[in-house]
Formats: sequence, structure tokens, C-alpha cells
Amino acid sequence: DVVLTQTPLSSPVTLGQPASISCRSSQSLVHSDGNTYLNWLQQRPGQPPRLLIYMVSNRISGVPDRFSGSGAGTDFTLKISRVEADDVGVYYCLQATHFPPYSFGQGTKLEI
Amino acid sequence: EVQLVESGGGLVQPGGSLRLSCAASGFSFTTYAFNWVRQAPGKGLEWVSYIGSGGAPIFYADSVKGRFTISRDTAKNSLYLQMNSLRAEDSAVYYCARDRGTRPFDSWGQGTLVTVSS
Repeated sequence: DVVLTQTPLSSPVTLGQPASISCRSSQSLVHSDGNTYLNWLQQRPGQPPRLLIYMVSNRISGVPDRFSGSGAGTDFTLKISRVEADDVGVYYCLQATHFPPYSFGQGTKLEI
Repeated sequence: EVQLVESGGGLVQPGGSLRLSCAASGFSFTTYAFNWVRQAPGKGLEWVSYIGSGGAPIFYADSVKGRFTISRDTAKNSLYLQMNSLRAEDSAVYYCARDRGTRPFDSWGQGTLVTVSS
């Protein structure tokens, strides 16, 4: 099964400053159809997770454009251009290329 | 508005059974696949099971295979998870999540807590 490793596991950030989370896969996430099914989710405290970005870099409707995803192959990054208080929570990467099973990263806690 | 509402969680003894339900509304239930995902207290997310839009295919995580059964009822717009032979390590909040193919887990319920303890 694919293992996703996120770094850092905890990220103290300053409001208004950028933040970056890395997700590294144990194998390439390029599907045989040529697409890469790497997604990012956010879980605010006390809330269920919500999908932020799908297929590496596509923001879900309503997600602020300060969130961006990038990467290819085995290395992916979620960037927040200017952190706001509302961004506090845990961020997970998720791969669907080698489904089943779905694999989540272990999560990165973003704290002010 | 898309809504997913889980129910059926609770306290159960090791070896016992529970049936979780997830009531869906605000969208065409038959168009989507669904997943169950769990989160142990203070831990990360673990995918549990998947069911296709037409009831197939069905997949399970190795940790629950042979003990859990996923199903869906189109007439009731509901998703289910029958959990048997429960263990302490199955204790978690269980979420149902809609699966839109290229956008998996695009909607989530609020979760239902399962506690397995004597």
C-alpha cells in the first residue's frame, strides 16, 4: 500500500505569513490514465474534514485562493500564501491513484 | 444543501456489534459512491470502506475486512456500516463521506462516536 509522509507534523505560523506542508509518497502517484490523484483536506478543531484541493492543484469551489497545491510524482506541497486565524487545524494529504485502499498522510497541525 | 448525517454510534463491549447509518439529502444519492472513514481520539484519518454508486464495487481496509459490511439503500437514501466482532482499536469517530470520483471525500457528515470497552 502507498504510504504518505507529511512534513512537518506541526507548524507554528504567524498570521499574515506563508505556510507550506509537504507530502511525500512511497511510490509515484501518476495513474495509468496520466492523471495524479493527490488531494488535500483541512480539519478545523472540532469539525469534520473538508476537501480543499483535488488532483494536486484544483481548488474546491469556495476555497480561498491563498491555498494552492503543487507537485508531481512523489512530492507534493500545500501552500498558504498568507495564513489567517481561520486556517488553524490539521491538514491531510490523500492519495486516490492506487485505490483501493485510499491512503491519508498522518496530518500536519497548523497552529498560530 | 448537501447533508450527510450519521447515527448509530455508542458504547459496545468487545466482541459486540453496531450498525451505523448515514442519511443523505440535498443531492442525487444514486449518482455517488460513498466511504466510511474513522478517526480515533486525537489521531489521524483512516479509510475504512467504499461502496460504488450502484452498490458495487465494495472495498474494505485490511483492518476491518471480514468484520465490517458496507451497504446502501437507495429507497432510503442511506448508507450503512455493520460492524461485528468489535475490538478496542475500533473505537473512533466514524464519518461517512461522499465520493465524486476525481473529487473523493467532497462532503462529510459530522461523525458518530463508537466506543468499544468493557
